[in-house]
Amino acid sequence: NAGVMQNPRHLVRRRGQEARLRCSPMKGHSHVYWYRQLPEEGLKFMVYLQKENIIDESGMPKERFSAEFPKEGPSILRIQQVVRGDSAAYFCASSPPGLAGWAQYFGPGTRLTVL
Amino acid sequence: GESVGLHLPTLSVQEGDNSIINCAYSNSASDYFIWYKQESGKGPQFIIDIRSNMDKRQGQRVTVLLNKTVKHLSLQIAATQPGDSAVYFCAENRFNNNDMRFGAGTRLTVKP
Repeated sequence: NAGVMQNPRHLVRRRGQEARLRCSPMKGHSHVYWYRQLPEEGLKFMVYLQKENIIDESGMPKERFSAEFPKEGPSILRIQQVVRGDSAAYFCASSPPGLAGWAQYFGPGTRLTVL
Repeated sequence: GESVGLHLPTLSVQEGDNSIINCAYSNSASDYFIWYKQESGKGPQFIIDIRSNMDKRQGQRVTVLLNKTVKHLSLQIAATQPGDSAVYFCAENRFNNNDMRFGAGTRLTVKP
C-alpha cells in the first residue's frame, strides 16, 4: 500500500519563478490537506480540498498561492512569483472519505528553497 | 487565541527509561487529539490518537492520557529507544473541522 506521495522532494527556485508541488493521496482517500512548516516549528494548515472542490482555504495567503485537486491526477499547490519567505517544507496529508479532519496521514514533504 | 502548546521544547532521556511528553490545549471544543512523530527530513508519522470520550489509550509502547479538566494531553513512551529520537507534535481537531492545529513540538533525544 503506497502512502501519501509528494514530488518533488526538493525544489529550488529563484525569486519570481513559479513553484508547483504535487501530492498523490493514499489509495481510497478523497480528502487532501496542505501544510507548511518552517524549521523548528509546527505545521500550519493551509488548505483542505476534496476532488474538484476547495473546502477550506483559510490558511492560504491571499496572493500568489493556489491549490487544486482535479478529478484525475494529483493535488497541486502552486506558488507564483516566489519570494525568499516562501522557503519552507510543504507537507500534504490525506484522509479517507467520511468524517473530515480525522486520521490524517502525511507525505514526506517538499522542501522548497528560494534563492 | 486558542492554541495547542507544549510545556517543554526539548527532552533528553536515557535509553531504556520512560519518556513523558506533555501538551496543553485551550479549546474545550476539541474532541480529537493525535500524536505525531517527525524524524529529521521526514513527514509527520501518526503514532496514536484519542477522542474526548476517553481518558487513556494504549498502543505498542505508547500511552496517551487526556485530562479534559485541565486541558492536558501527554504521550508516554515506555522503554525509550534510540529510534524514538524525533520531534513529537500533538495536534487537536474538532469534529468535522478541517483545521488541525499543531503545537510547536518537543524534541526527544535518547542517550545510549
